[in-house]
Amino acid sequence: GNSVTQMEGPVTLSEEAFLTINCTYTATGYPSLFWYVQYPGEGLQLLLKATKADDKGSNKGFEATYRKETTSFHLEKGSVQVSDSAVYFCALKGPGNQFYFGTGTSLTVIP
Amino acid sequence: DTGVSQDPRHKITKRGQNVTFRCDPISEHNRLYWYRQTLGQGPEFLTYFQNEAQLEKSRLLSDRFSAERPKGSFSTLEIQRTEQGDSAMYLCASSLGDPRQGYEQYFGPGTRLTVT
Repeated sequence: GNSVTQMEGPVTLSEEAFLTINCTYTATGYPSLFWYVQYPGEGLQLLLKATKADDKGSNKGFEATYRKETTSFHLEKGSVQVSDSAVYFCALKGPGNQFYFGTGTSLTVIP
Repeated sequence: DTGVSQDPRHKITKRGQNVTFRCDPISEHNRLYWYRQTLGQGPEFLTYFQNEAQLEKSRLLSDRFSAERPKGSFSTLEIQRTEQGDSAMYLCASSLGDPRQGYEQYFGPGTRLTVT
């Protein structure tokens, strides 16, 4: 079946620290992979995506590389800001039309 | 383009009542999805439309839930005989269904349902 496992939170970092949020997946076929972000009081927004193995998605200083050999799509940012405080969701789309989301990782960045 | 909108944003209802939610997708998007999200969890797929056709439903979806997209534009999600376990955020998302974009979805703000 299809599923996503995310690193549990909450994660608290100081401003300018390095961020990694782990995401591994189980999927049939060749899924597309996504990171969504939910800022406080707002809806889910697509942060970045990768549609095939070895693709690197990037946006707003965040990056994630689709690693087929380790079935992973870890989210990284070199220097976090207070404005990055949000909940981050890893997701996959398999060969059908369903999307599968992880449970979310809450990030708080303190000044 | 004003994005995906949902109405109402909040709904409080008594157990046993029926509720209906509306979703207006981005106008050129032919795909529409409904999800349910409970506290501390990610969105859980409920159902999917391509134009007006409902092509997939979650096997976990109770018969009390029904969704329509009559003209391939807006969609409604109805829950009959609500139960306290139905309390959740109901999310709608739309997509162009473009494989070059990885079927990227755009989410609405959600309808928060509280069943008392």
